[in-house]
Amino acid sequence: DIVMTQSPDSLAVSLGERATINCKSSQSVLYSSNNKNYLAWYQQKPGQPPKLLISWASTRESGVTDRFSGSGSGTDFTLTISSLQAEDVAVYYCQQYYSTPLSFGQGTKLEIK
Amino acid sequence: QVQLVESGGGVVQPGRSLRLSCVASGFIFNSYAMHWVRQAPGKGLEWVAATPYDGSNKYYADSVKGRFTISRDDSKNTLYLQMNSLRADDTALYYCARDRGARPASFDYWGQGTLVTVSS
Repeated sequence: DIVMTQSPDSLAVSLGERATINCKSSQSVLYSSNNKNYLAWYQQKPGQPPKLLISWASTRESGVTDRFSGSGSGTDFTLTISSLQAEDVAVYYCQQYYSTPLSFGQGTKLEIK
Repeated sequence: QVQLVESGGGVVQPGRSLRLSCVASGFIFNSYAMHWVRQAPGKGLEWVAATPYDGSNKYYADSVKGRFTISRDDSKNTLYLQMNSLRADDTALYYCARDRGARPASFDYWGQGTLVTVSS
């Protein structure tokens, strides 16, 4: 089973500053036959279901602001919010879909400093 | 628009059973894999089970294997989760989620969830 580990567990960033969240998988989620990383990022605000932000490690979903970007390959991934806005306060999760059982990271809580 | 509406949650004693339902609308149900994902109070997300678009295989988390069964009725656009031998650590908000494709991958639409509380 693939274990996903996020860092940090919580993060406080000033408005307008950059926020960076890391995600590490216990084994590679890069599928060599198509050179795609089977990694997604979600945002969950209080009292709401999660929202898919990014698939394939770096492809933003339709309607997601370009302040959000994903990068990385193999076992190490990063979600970057380029200029933090108040509405970005949430918990962020990474998820691998390389193999079942599918698995999430433990979450990173993002707050305003 | 895509909608997923879960129901069937409630308070149940340990060892008993419960069946959750998720009615889907706004998309061609039998073209997508579907999932159950749960979230214990104040905790993170845990994937529970998945069924591909054709229901040919079922996939389960180790924590529920042998106790939970996922199924789908494409004629009713409905996803189910039969939960048997429930335990206190099954207490969670259970989300129904649509996959982005036909096989298990990422989840592009989620319901609001239905709360399951296992307690004596």
